[in-house]
Amino acid sequence: DAKTTQPPSMDCAEGRAANLPCNHSTISGNEYVYWYRQIHSQGPQYIIHGLKNNETNEMASLIITEDRKSSTLILPHATLRDTAVYYCIVRGLTSGTYKYIFGTGTRLKVLA
Amino acid sequence: DTEVTQTPKHLVMGMTNKKSLKCEQHMGHRAMYWYKQKAKKPPELMFVYSYEKLSINESVPSRFSPECPNSSLLNLHLHALQPEDSALYLCASSQEIRETQYFGPGTRLLVL
Repeated sequence: DAKTTQPPSMDCAEGRAANLPCNHSTISGNEYVYWYRQIHSQGPQYIIHGLKNNETNEMASLIITEDRKSSTLILPHATLRDTAVYYCIVRGLTSGTYKYIFGTGTRLKVLA
Repeated sequence: DTEVTQTPKHLVMGMTNKKSLKCEQHMGHRAMYWYKQKAKKPPELMFVYSYEKLSINESVPSRFSPECPNSSLLNLHLHALQPEDSALYLCASSQEIRETQYFGPGTRLLVL
């Protein structure tokens, strides 16, 4: 199973870009990278996902390195409401079944 | 609409009680999931249903019994739980088993 490594915590000033890194050095060619966030014990909220190409939506951008061994989630203008735990997840086929393999998450604190 | 609902929001039960958690989605998703999340840890997969059939059981103790009565509804029956089973129980659904999962708000369970 591919696993992810994330820094346990990060701070970011309000209005600045938050760049959250994730290492997934054992990722396989057909495994997707997903990002979710969880705000204070609510259910995880889907943010974005990608396979090889960089992706952007209304919430964030996902930058995946060419060798696919790492990725960065970018929140372009962080607000206080972005304070949450951010999970980098590899989703792949494991024992014939697709499963999410959660990382330990990065606790992002956006500072006023 | 990406809403998954879970009831109850909070549940306190004794070790001899029988209770059930309920999860519902009306997005036409054919895959549904139960996760368990302990404090300050990432969610851990428990069960996966695909087209109303149990697809994955992650070696969960038999005191947890899942049920999928129809494509919109997923239950988790609880019996003779232990205090260490206290956790946030999350339900998720996806269009198919390999698609993006959408999580409910969770049920916070306390076993006394």
